[in-house]
Amino acid sequence: QSALTQPASVSGSPGQSITISCTGTSSDVGGYDFVSWYQQHPGKAPKPMIYDVTNRPSGVSDRFSGSKSGNTASLTISGLQAEDEADYYCSSYSITTTPVVFGGGTKLTVL
Amino acid sequence: QVQLQQSGPGLVKPSQTLSLSCAISGDSVSSNSAAWHWIRQSPSRGLEWLGRTYYRSKWYNEYAVSVKSRLSINADTSKNQLSLQLNSVTPEDTAVYYCARRSGTYLFDYWGQGVLVTVSS
Repeated sequence: QSALTQPASVSGSPGQSITISCTGTSSDVGGYDFVSWYQQHPGKAPKPMIYDVTNRPSGVSDRFSGSKSGNTASLTISGLQAEDEADYYCSSYSITTTPVVFGGGTKLTVL
Repeated sequence: QVQLQQSGPGLVKPSQTLSLSCAISGDSVSSNSAAWHWIRQSPSRGLEWLGRTYYRSKWYNEYAVSVKSRLSINADTSKNQLSLQLNSVTPEDTAVYYCARRSGTYLFDYWGQGVLVTVSS
């Protein structure tokens, strides 16, 4: 039902790298470099991790990186740590009647 | 440091009006570079953008099509806060409601703590 499609879950072991995809259309992800990513721990507000596809806000670890190819954006987390276990959401600007769209979220489990 | 402090009732009866406030510190609701948004989150609908208000020599509002006929977002400059009013609520409006700031980029860089609102009789 969400406008952007994310895998429901991903997992990885400490120290490994994982990638979360976020697929949209040419009206949002593919058409604009305004993709952002958020980390959300249970009971907390989303925390901004990436903006404008590749940029990290101040204070965010460089283990987090973003990229985009066509209509799919990706978040890569390298050197997985236990505290990375959380839900991750992508968001994009959209030219449609709803200017802000979100993905359905991906639950990251650190094994 | 920008902080957003939300307040409002956690329980609203069906057909009534849901009202929430978001007190802003560290920035101004009438800033010429910021926009103030409301977003909600529920298990069934995920994260859903509801609307925004911002000031650029005059006030502008923009609402999601799904709630446009029922939603009002306002800024109170005397209290430096924004508010949300959602009319004629149904159980489908049950969600955690967040206020958030966007400033200069397409990133929601500051969020309120969220308020769980349950619509039930």
